[in-house]
Amino acid sequence: ETGVTQTPRHLVMGMTNKKSLKCEQHLGHNAMYWYKQSAKKPLELMFVYNFKEQTENNSVPSRFSPECPNSSHLFLHLHTLQPEDSALYLCASSQGTGGEGNQPQHFGDGTRLSIL
Amino acid sequence: GDSVTQMEGPVTLSEEAFLTINCTYTATGYPSLFWYVQYPGEGLQLLLKATKADDKGSNKGFEATYRKETTSFHLEKGSVQVSDSAVYFCALAGGFKTIFGAGTRLFVKA
Repeated sequence: ETGVTQTPRHLVMGMTNKKSLKCEQHLGHNAMYWYKQSAKKPLELMFVYNFKEQTENNSVPSRFSPECPNSSHLFLHLHTLQPEDSALYLCASSQGTGGEGNQPQHFGDGTRLSIL
Repeated sequence: GDSVTQMEGPVTLSEEAFLTINCTYTATGYPSLFWYVQYPGEGLQLLLKATKADDKGSNKGFEATYRKETTSFHLEKGSVQVSDSAVYFCALAGGFKTIFGAGTRLFVKA
């Protein structure tokens, strides 16, 4: 099931490049999330958007810049990343007003990012 | 604060063996509990959920019961298959937050 679509699936970039990750959900959900998944580390929540408004930023470095133009689309703009930023970046969405509530999240298949 | 603790992996089993992956939680209020599964090269998928104490979630032969008295939500399956090899995440949601466990990798050998 891929009600949440992420592009690209793989991205290799140099530390001075600028690139963007895209996420689109077709589930009619109100909330969208970015997570970072690194090997041998727990899933890290980066950003939360609810009805296009950012409701959470978990001390993420400014080289990561999210954008949510509408409830169906979420972007993560990348600039001057570091080698330790290499990871799988997962987008998710959920239904619910007023925040995440108790609803399950639906995930995309992720973008595998490698920083040279 | 709220937290989820699940058993460290990897867990290696032979096909048709019984599976238990332990999950305990701490939370204020009355969270919902979830198990997610992540197959290689994919994102997380909801496997099952339970929204209140004593509820049993089940899907694809997997089961977990929401035990408030022991603050646990252990995942079980009576007979695993090679295709069950994946990483399993326990999670709780409540109070506008979802907290994920660290994940448990399962290998099933033919």
